[in-house]
Amino acid sequence: LAKTTQPISMDSYEGQEVNITCSHNNIATNDYITWYQQFPSQGPRFIIQGYKTKVTNEVASLFIPADRKSSTLSLPRVSLSDTAVYYCLVGVDNAGNMLTFGGGTRLMVKP
Amino acid sequence: DAGVIQSPRHEVTEMGQEVTLRCKPISGHDYLFWYRQTMMRGLELLIYFNNNVPIDDSGMPEDRFSAKMPNASFSTLKIQPSEPRDSAVYFCASSLVLAGGIQDTQYFGPGTRLTVL
Repeated sequence: LAKTTQPISMDSYEGQEVNITCSHNNIATNDYITWYQQFPSQGPRFIIQGYKTKVTNEVASLFIPADRKSSTLSLPRVSLSDTAVYYCLVGVDNAGNMLTFGGGTRLMVKP
Repeated sequence: DAGVIQSPRHEVTEMGQEVTLRCKPISGHDYLFWYRQTMMRGLELLIYFNNNVPIDDSGMPEDRFSAKMPNASFSTLKIQPSEPRDSAVYFCASSLVLAGGIQDTQYFGPGTRLTVL
């Protein structure tokens, strides 16, 4: 399984753009990159997924360079409600069916 | 669909007692996952099922833990006997069939907060 490395925590202010980078140096050819968000006392929820280049949805953008050894989750104009833990997931098991959550990045948005 | 349903939401028990956590996945989902989350260890995958069959239980901490999925709409995670170090939030998640390298979205339940005294 591709191991991921993310910053443990980040601070930001309301209205700013936040970029969280995840390193996954041993990503495999078939691996997709998926990001989840977890609020306190809730289970993680899917934010965005991509394979290469850029993906954008109503919540975030995901930037993946050509070598795919890292990815950056971009949250535009964050608000206090974006305070959460963000997980980067990469890889499947030999059966092609499993994700592994790393430690995540704890984002604190301040007023 | 109501999403993934877990019960109970909170469980307080004494060391040595048996604890059973329950999960109802989203209808039509072929994969079911059990996770444990603590401050120290983060979110850990314990076991997952595909079409009711356990595929990988390498994350189950020890023999005191067991999981079953008797049918497509129900799974249990049992701890017997429970210990204080088992105190954690236990999440159940489900997803559709995965194709190729595409990792389908996992839908998580609200979790069960277990406290073992």
